[in-house]
Amino acid sequence: KAGVTQTPRYLIKTRGQQVTLSCSPISGHRSVSWYQQTPGQGLQFLFEYFSETQRNKGNFPGRFSGRQFSNSRSEMNVSTLELGDSALYLCASSLEQGPQQFFGPGTRLTVL
Amino acid sequence: QKEVEQDPGPLSVPEGAIVSLNCTYSNSAFQYFMWYRQYSRKGPELLMYTYSSGNKEDGRFTAQVDKSSKYISLFIRDSQPSDSATYLCAMANAGNMLTFGGGTRLMVKP
Repeated sequence: KAGVTQTPRYLIKTRGQQVTLSCSPISGHRSVSWYQQTPGQGLQFLFEYFSETQRNKGNFPGRFSGRQFSNSRSEMNVSTLELGDSALYLCASSLEQGPQQFFGPGTRLTVL
Repeated sequence: QKEVEQDPGPLSVPEGAIVSLNCTYSNSAFQYFMWYRQYSRKGPELLMYTYSSGNKEDGRFTAQVDKSSKYISLFIRDSQPSDSATYLCAMANAGNMLTFGGGTRLMVKP
């Protein structure tokens, strides 16, 4: 069974721009969660989507948003990029029940 | 104070040693406990998953949860150089929102 895939793997943007990251979950997984990983803050939960609805949300500003499509694929968007948004953005998928989450390789975003 | 505390290391051990990795937490609502392994420039890989208190063994890995002390451990027996990575503990209550420790960097020297 193929794992979680994320595209693109690397991105370089400048301050003020916006960015869209994509995630395809493991086949059959309907829950997709997004996390931000930085050296200073570690792994922090952004939001979770299930059946095209945001089910949980972490403590991030409204510049961070996401959506999920009917095939469970998910996208996250960051608008008005700031230098502090430079991070590894990880997507994880899981079955409906249970918090066992399987992570993709991440998208490394650099904001200049 | 963070909800989940984890010694960042690095922890350096010789090949074949038993490794003990630990996390403490403050949120008594946590019921699910996980350990992830993350190699450099890769996503975290789920190693162990435990519900509530108790022990769980999988090959060279043993996870222990002591909810009364709010303390979880991961033991690695017969450690190998390929075990060199960052180990992250993660916890959740009822939902899919994981709270992670900061990670412990482990180095196993041949």
